[in-house]
Amino acid sequence: GQQLNQSPQSMFIQEGEDVSMNCTSSSIFNTWLWYKQDPGEGPVLLIALYKAGELTSNGRLTAQFGITRKDSFLNISASIPSDVGIYFCAAYTGTASKLTFGTGTRLQVTL
Amino acid sequence: KAGVTQTPRYLIKTRGQQVTLSCSPISGHRSVSWYQQTPGQGLQFLFEYFSETQRNKGNFPGRFSGRQFSNSRSEMNVSTLELGDSALYLCASSLDTGGFNEQFFGPGTRLTVL
Repeated sequence: GQQLNQSPQSMFIQEGEDVSMNCTSSSIFNTWLWYKQDPGEGPVLLIALYKAGELTSNGRLTAQFGITRKDSFLNISASIPSDVGIYFCAAYTGTASKLTFGTGTRLQVTL
Repeated sequence: KAGVTQTPRYLIKTRGQQVTLSCSPISGHRSVSWYQQTPGQGLQFLFEYFSETQRNKGNFPGRFSGRQFSNSRSEMNVSTLELGDSALYLCASSLDTGGFNEQFFGPGTRLTVL
């Protein structure tokens, strides 16, 4: 089945540093979504990408829909303590509403 | 606008029992999807309902079922609970069905099976 390989699995960074994470697959997707999940809560949608090559920002977050439609990247600039959490990529193929999720990147920020 | 709500937030059951979880989507959203989240398997798609009809189904046994009401509220039911059913169950709503729709998640129901 379709799999999204998300890396890195976890990151320890210092406050103020920039962060990069990515999702790759052997399958082609037509929509990429990035979510952040805090412990015990549901994922919160951060950014949605609909077109290959698209670059979209939401505050300090920037995400890109890979040109091959098989990958996506999320960057966080100038990290702050509240950025701590697990970041998931998710993607759709075709017209089915089933979202495939990546395995998550756990981000920890030290002061 | 109120977000997706799920009830109950926490539930403890014993093996063999059955459980019903409830999800109220964002007002105006007609699609509701359910996911199971466990540390080992991550987020796995269970099923999606749109206009009271199941549109998509994941690879879960028939013990997992759901339904959607005319007001778009949805319930999922798990019968004959097993220890491995312990998980965070998340529902997500979107305006419409099909890809390209942003899904918004509720806080989840934490189910513990003893």
